[in-house]
Amino acid sequence: ETGVTQSPTHLIKTRGQQVTLRCSSQSGHNTVSWYQQALGQGPQFIFQYYREEENGRGNFPPRFSGLQFPNYSSELNVNALELDDSALYLCASTQGGDGYTFGSGTRLTVV
Amino acid sequence: GESVGLHLPTLSVQEGDNSIINCAYSNSASDYFIWYKQESGKGPQFIIDIRSNMDKRQGQRVTVLLNKTVKHLSLQIAATQPGDSAVYFCAARTSGSRLTFGEGTQLTVNP
Repeated sequence: ETGVTQSPTHLIKTRGQQVTLRCSSQSGHNTVSWYQQALGQGPQFIFQYYREEENGRGNFPPRFSGLQFPNYSSELNVNALELDDSALYLCASTQGGDGYTFGSGTRLTVV
Repeated sequence: GESVGLHLPTLSVQEGDNSIINCAYSNSASDYFIWYKQESGKGPQFIIDIRSNMDKRQGQRVTVLLNKTVKHLSLQIAATQPGDSAVYFCAARTSGSRLTFGEGTQLTVNP
């Protein structure tokens, strides 16, 4: 059984650019959620996808968007990057709403 | 909404001692709670979970206690080892499947 995998592991972008982060859910998990973790803080919920539809969103602006594919993998897209977007972006998957499994994250640095 | 907080940002214990990490939550509708361990540069690792219809659950060397009356949960680690040094987060599930995290407790185990 494979866990949650995320790519890339590290990324440096310039303010104003766009970025796409990718996540493969754990085998058998049909729900994927994304979290932003700033340095020294707990993860903050961005949004969740189930059956290729967004079914929950945290307090993040529309320039944060996502997709889920038929194989349950997911993408997080961030447009018009700002310096404050620098963080660890975590993907978590679950089946049935329990036992959320997290990936190792993508460390995004905006300069 | 939900807010989750930890009582102590740091905890230092001697190897072999028992550790107790505490967490408070605000939303009485929270129905599921998870403790995660996060090591530097890695994603959160699932430790143990508990549903709101339980008040205690045990795993290998770990116990989670839930007191719904005062909206408090704790993680007890028996015979703490140097490998237990990490940041520990509690998370509460409320609406949909989103998790709300606390800010984390840095556990340091001294040899």
